[in-house]
Amino acid sequence: GENVEQHPSTLSVQEGDSAVIKCTYSDSASNYFPWYKQELGKGPQLIIDIRSNVGEKKDQRIAVTLNKTAKHFSLHITETQPEDSAVYFCAARDSGNTPLVFGKGTRLSVIA
Amino acid sequence: GAVVSQHPSWVICKSGTSVKIECRSLDFQATTMFWYRQFPKQSLMLMATSNEGSKATYEQGVEKDKFLINHASLTLSTLTVTSAHPEDSSFYICSTGQGGTGELFFGEGSRLTVL
Repeated sequence: GENVEQHPSTLSVQEGDSAVIKCTYSDSASNYFPWYKQELGKGPQLIIDIRSNVGEKKDQRIAVTLNKTAKHFSLHITETQPEDSAVYFCAARDSGNTPLVFGKGTRLSVIA
Repeated sequence: GAVVSQHPSWVICKSGTSVKIECRSLDFQATTMFWYRQFPKQSLMLMATSNEGSKATYEQGVEKDKFLINHASLTLSTLTVTSAHPEDSSFYICSTGQGGTGELFFGEGSRLTVL
């Protein structure tokens, strides 16, 4: 089955700097790669996703890149703000009704 | 607005009692729902996949007789933790989506504390 590795497990950045979180996946059949932000005591919230027919996607300060050949995808947050502090999870799945497989998460701290 | 509604958000119970958690799809018919469990400072781990009108499929190591899942309608799936023990204390989260789009929506989660 699918296995998703995520790095780093913790990340501290100064406000205004960029943050990059990287994930790799094992199943070449996976074609949907979402990123979730989870705040304390809440369920995961989708922040951006990318499908395997696209190499990069951007939404304001957040961008995701995908390298299908290398089976890795990354989350980029620019101009970080304190409210970006949270745990971020990458995930992967193939099409249809299969579940998401999550990475272990990255705790991002943005220091004001 | 919320796409998936989960209830209760927080529950405390005594050891040996049973607790039911509801997950409702608000905007579309959910033929499949996924139940995840998350321990503190850990990732989400899939417990089971429930399909409307059929038996749930459980992941290895998850006791089907302890975690009863019912998916009797296209908008409601329930997870019942039977004879709960302190080690069952966790954050339980349901998820569903619209088939081929790939996107999955998550409920707000239910934090279970067993005393």
